[in-house]
Amino acid sequence: NAGVTQTPKFRILKIGQSMTLQCTQDMNHNYMYWYRQDPGMGLKLIYYSVGAGITDKGEVPNGYNVSRSTTEDFPLRLELAAPSQTSVYFCASTPSRDRTEQYFGPGTRLTVT
Amino acid sequence: DQQVKQNSPSLSVQEGRISILNCDYTNSMFDYFLWYKKYPAEGPTFLISISSIKDKNEDGRFTVFLNKSAKHLSLHIVPSQPGDSAVYFCAASTSGTYKYIFGTGTRLKVLA
Repeated sequence: NAGVTQTPKFRILKIGQSMTLQCTQDMNHNYMYWYRQDPGMGLKLIYYSVGAGITDKGEVPNGYNVSRSTTEDFPLRLELAAPSQTSVYFCASTPSRDRTEQYFGPGTRLTVT
Repeated sequence: DQQVKQNSPSLSVQEGRISILNCDYTNSMFDYFLWYKKYPAEGPTFLISISSIKDKNEDGRFTVFLNKSAKHLSLHIVPSQPGDSAVYFCAASTSGTYKYIFGTGTRLKVLA
């Protein structure tokens, strides 16, 4: 199992550009999450999904969109990049049972200039 | 509103000694707590968890203690090793929500 994979590892965007951060898991987990981590801060939940076709907002969803067409993939879309979106983005997944840990991808470091 | 707080941004400990990392929470609905370890340029990895029906959970060198009345949990690492140097996050969840709230992390440095 590769676990949770994220692409790209690094990206530099200009203000106003768009991009999609890719996330794939091969563990057949129903629950998937996107977090961002700013320097000196914890992980803030952007969006999450409890299964294909079902997504919901987290703590900091503004400026982002998600879709979940398959169990494996949960892409995060930035439509109009802003400097405030400079961060490290982590994707995570969990099995469909309560009280269990999350499995994280290696992260995508995004800089918007 | 920071529901999960780690008030110590950093901690240095000598190799072989005990490391104690602390975490406080404000939401009394949290009933499941986790600790994650994060190395630079990697994603967090799960370390240990505890349910609110317990007050202690142990896994090798790692023990998590939960004090529900104080809304406080701590992670003990004994003995500490240089490889334990990392950022440690605590997280909390409420059953049925499948969402996790993270603290800001504590950077542990174990000195050889």
